[in-house]
Amino acid sequence: DQQVKQNSPSLSVQEGRISILNCDYTNSMFDYFLWYKKYPAEGPTFLISISSIKDKNEDGRFTVFLNKSAKHLSLHIVPSQPGDSAVYFCAASAYDSNYQLIWGAGTKLIIKP
Amino acid sequence: KAGVTQTPRYLIKTRGQQVTLSCSPISGHRSVSWYQQTPGQGLQFLFEYFSETQRNKGNFPGRFSGRQFSNSRSEMNVSTLELGDSALYLCASSFLGANYGYTFGSGTRLTVV
Repeated sequence: DQQVKQNSPSLSVQEGRISILNCDYTNSMFDYFLWYKKYPAEGPTFLISISSIKDKNEDGRFTVFLNKSAKHLSLHIVPSQPGDSAVYFCAASAYDSNYQLIWGAGTKLIIKP
Repeated sequence: KAGVTQTPRYLIKTRGQQVTLSCSPISGHRSVSWYQQTPGQGLQFLFEYFSETQRNKGNFPGRFSGRQFSNSRSEMNVSTLELGDSALYLCASSFLGANYGYTFGSGTRLTVV
């Protein structure tokens, strides 16, 4: 049972445009969500997180939106840069599972020059 | 400051053997978690150690075990290796836990032949 789903295995975006990466979840007990970025041959790097008491969190070019009623979150990258080409993972945690992170399968983002 | 160090980077083992992977967290980080990543899969949680105690455990068979030492360094052991254990094993450290943002190591690529 996949509790965190990233339904797009890959996404291609023109440099300078907005990249929108999506993530859906099924467990209504999730109360914390995180996004990580991963380059080949490296470990994932923490990008941005959001608590379930918020619906938006911004950090520079990165904004995460949370829609609890739809059990959906998205990561917006504006403007997209070549260095943003990577695999992006969405992860979620819940208090009642001792905050064990549950990960999506990842979306490969390709920024075209 | 030094990042999370995983050794070795690459490993080739024969089916039925056992293997030990090592992880040195960022100085001061008390939480160390281990993940398995296989092609097309998200990160699968193995276990988390906090101050030498296993705090969380994923759904892996008992062949997968770990421990944490007083200096927070951690080891992961896999006994009776199977072909399906071939994967990238990632270690992540955090001061308090997953919700505060992990720092990942570059991983150990294990190939079982």
